[in-house]
Amino acid sequence: GAVVSQHPSRVICKSGTSVKIECRSLDFQATTMFWYRQFPKKSLMLMATSNEGSKATYEQGVEKDKFLINHASLTLSTLTVTSAHPEDSSFYICSAGRDGGNYGYTFGSGTRLTVV
Amino acid sequence: QKEVEQNSGPLSVPEGAIASLNCTYSDRVSQSFFWYRQYSGKSPELIMSIYSNGDKEDGRFTAQLNKASQYVSLLIRDSQPSDSATYLCAVNRERAGSYQLTFGKGTKLSVIP
Repeated sequence: GAVVSQHPSRVICKSGTSVKIECRSLDFQATTMFWYRQFPKKSLMLMATSNEGSKATYEQGVEKDKFLINHASLTLSTLTVTSAHPEDSSFYICSAGRDGGNYGYTFGSGTRLTVV
Repeated sequence: QKEVEQNSGPLSVPEGAIASLNCTYSDRVSQSFFWYRQYSGKSPELIMSIYSNGDKEDGRFTAQLNKASQYVSLLIRDSQPSDSATYLCAVNRERAGSYQLTFGKGTKLSVIP
């Protein structure tokens, strides 16, 4: 199956600092990965589409300068939350799929970010 | 019209009963359809995929697709308390040259022992 690894699983950081979250496809190559955010008891919200070798595509309302995405290889995408604020505290999840995702996407285990 | 619609629930069924989860979608060119299960505080897990009209069975789960009605459903037979979770319907369609999943808001299922 398609395995997606995400690290760290939990992180606590101080306001104003930056946090990097990694998403790796372990047994397949992913030209496209997706980053989601989910607040407690709320729906998954797509933040951006990460494209290998090119700029990420951000959803409306998501600040590209605050949520930096880098997809430098076919197996790794990173999301950096810059100048974190308490309102950025959330559950961040990445996903990727074989063959462009036409057979489904696998999610990473998620990163619970708490900004204090 | 929302792209993917689901009843938010909660849907409560007794243990051993059949749970029926429904989903409609608006984009007729959608090609593939998925059901994910998400436990509280965890990331979604793919449990079923379906690509053509009709039924697809996998263990206690049956997915049903009717493209003419733009309708997808998931049946869970012999429901267990461990099935209590939020079930997300997702539709895959091409967008700007790549496939992208669009999720419904999810239906919360509670299986009562």
